[in-house]
Amino acid sequence: ELKVEQNPLFLSMQEGKNYTIYCNYSTTSDRLYWYRQDPGKSLESLFVLLSNGAVKQEGRLMASLDTKARLSTLHITAAVHDLSATYFCAVDISGSRLTFGEGTQLTVNP
Amino acid sequence: GAVVSQHPSWVICKSGTSVKIECRSLDFQATTMFWYRQFPKQSLMLMATSNEGSKATYEQGVEKDKFLINHASLTLSTLTVTSAHPEDSSFYICSARDYKNTGELFFGEGSRLTVL
Repeated sequence: ELKVEQNPLFLSMQEGKNYTIYCNYSTTSDRLYWYRQDPGKSLESLFVLLSNGAVKQEGRLMASLDTKARLSTLHITAAVHDLSATYFCAVDISGSRLTFGEGTQLTVNP
Repeated sequence: GAVVSQHPSWVICKSGTSVKIECRSLDFQATTMFWYRQFPKQSLMLMATSNEGSKATYEQGVEKDKFLINHASLTLSTLTVTSAHPEDSSFYICSARDYKNTGELFFGEGSRLTVL
């Protein structure tokens, strides 16, 4: 059974600081997703990582994938309050279904 | 980009009644759609895979007689929560993959169900 684990589950940080969220998964995967969820809302797609060594950046967020280590990271640079949300990674097996991590609730304090 | 739309966004119903939630792919054909459930402060859990023209595939522990899924066309899947109880109160999210084009997965806006 595929397991997807995120670390940390809760993160409180000050504006301007950097931090990394980790996503470990237990089996080989075709692709890995990162999503953002605001309270009461559905998921917003951030990144799709398709191959080993893939790195994608959008604004203050950068995601990477190491398929050999079965690890993806979401790095936050110079955090701002607007980044406060819950972030999920999700692993895609054979293009059929997603298994989600537990989510990381990020709070960025002024 | 492709859009997946859910309706209603929120619904409040009495215990014992049934509620139907619709999931539509607006500009692509979705032979497969996925239904997730999310309880407060928790992650998304896959409930079932909805297949156009055939029976849905349910995840272990999900009652198929309680959560009826119908995927009658290439753009519409419905989830009916039958004889709803307060413990069914949750956020239900559907997703669909645009297999023909990019293979990208799109999520609906979600439907919040509250059972009194």
